[in-house]
Amino acid sequence: ELKVEQNPLFLSMQEGKNYTIYCNYSTTSDRLYWYRQDPGKSLESLFVLLSNGAVKQEGRLMASLDTKARLSTLHITAAVHDLSATYFCAVDPRDTGNQFYFGTGTSLTVIP
Amino acid sequence: DAGITQSPRHKVTETGTPVTLRCHQTENHRYMYWYRQDPGHGLRLIHYSYGVKDTDKGEVSDGYSVSRSKTEDFLLTLESATSSQTSVYFCAISGRGGLHTDTQYFGPGTRLTVL
Repeated sequence: ELKVEQNPLFLSMQEGKNYTIYCNYSTTSDRLYWYRQDPGKSLESLFVLLSNGAVKQEGRLMASLDTKARLSTLHITAAVHDLSATYFCAVDPRDTGNQFYFGTGTSLTVIP
Repeated sequence: DAGITQSPRHKVTETGTPVTLRCHQTENHRYMYWYRQDPGHGLRLIHYSYGVKDTDKGEVSDGYSVSRSKTEDFLLTLESATSSQTSVYFCAISGRGGLHTDTQYFGPGTRLTVL
């Protein structure tokens, strides 16, 4: 059974601090996607990582992919309140674009 | 924003009733997906489509069927709704320019309650 595990599941952090969310998956894949979801809203695409060693950055968020370790990280730098949301990673295990498997999500709360 | 709409946005129905949810896209993307989102489970794929009349099962397909007769429309049907199908349902699309590495773009969601 394919597993995509995120940790932590819940994260409360102070503004200005740094933290990392981890996404581990149990299958071989070169494709890893990160999404953001605000409460009661839909999912928004953040990053697409398509090869080992891929790194993408947007503002205070940086995502990386290590396919050998089957691990992706989402690093938050100097958190601000607007980053409060739930973050999901998703894996495309067959590299076909047909089936994504999502992690259970990390609920991030940034406290002023 | 990718042009994806879902209808209805909210629905309350009774156990045993058939229900159809509609996903409509204006982006001409090849792939379309139906997910359900439940607390503690993240998003789970129900069915997906890789072209008109081409569909396949996802992780949690039991009790659901789909149809895609046009590129722009993907229908999800619950033949006989059960309380365990109470959930938020999201449609997604991908495949800009035929790319199978494309990310997925999500619709606004449908909140379904089965009493």
